[in-house]
Amino acid sequence: EAGVTQFPSHSVIEKGQTVTLRCDPISGHDNLYWYRRVMGKEIKFLLHFVKESKQDESGMPNNRFLAERTGGTYSTLKVQPAELEDSGVYFCASSVRTSGIFEQFFGPGTRLTVL
Amino acid sequence: QKEVEQDPGPLSVPEGAIVSLNCTYSNSAFQYFMWYRQYSRKGPELLMYTYSSGNKEDGRFTAQVDKSSKYISLFIRDSQPSDSATYLCAMSAGVTSYDKVIFGPGTSLSVIP
Repeated sequence: EAGVTQFPSHSVIEKGQTVTLRCDPISGHDNLYWYRRVMGKEIKFLLHFVKESKQDESGMPNNRFLAERTGGTYSTLKVQPAELEDSGVYFCASSVRTSGIFEQFFGPGTRLTVL
Repeated sequence: QKEVEQDPGPLSVPEGAIVSLNCTYSNSAFQYFMWYRQYSRKGPELLMYTYSSGNKEDGRFTAQVDKSSKYISLFIRDSQPSDSATYLCAMSAGVTSYDKVIFGPGTSLSVIP
């Protein structure tokens, strides 16, 4: 079974440009999460989708970040316009259970560098 | 004060040593405690989880939770070079997919052959 995949693995952009990150969860996983880790800090929650609906987006830093999950399958996270402080590693995770002990499966992350 | 504190290391030990990794937390609502392992350029992978207080053992790994002290530990026995990775503690107030997971910053471990 394929794991969570993320594209691209690396992205280097200039301040003010737009970047779109993509996440393909494990097939059949209704829950999809975005996290971010900035250098030297902990992994922080950004938002949670249940199927195509945003369940919790309390971790989104500001309105320059837009997440979508088309048809409840893959998800995109767009940063527009990018700022220097947006640099970091963006992780996507998915899980299958909505109650009971659950496990989030993480993708390898997208390393974003804003110059 | 951060919700979850973890000594970032780096920690370097010889092969075969016992490793102790620790986290403290401030939110008494946390009930579900996890340890993730992250290899370089990979995503975190769930290693063990414990619900509420107590110990849990899985092979060479033992997880302990002391809720009275708000302190959790991961012990690795007979450490191997393949254990070299960053270890992240994580916790949440509940066990459903709707409960937000809070991570510690991670401890970098190197096991020297």
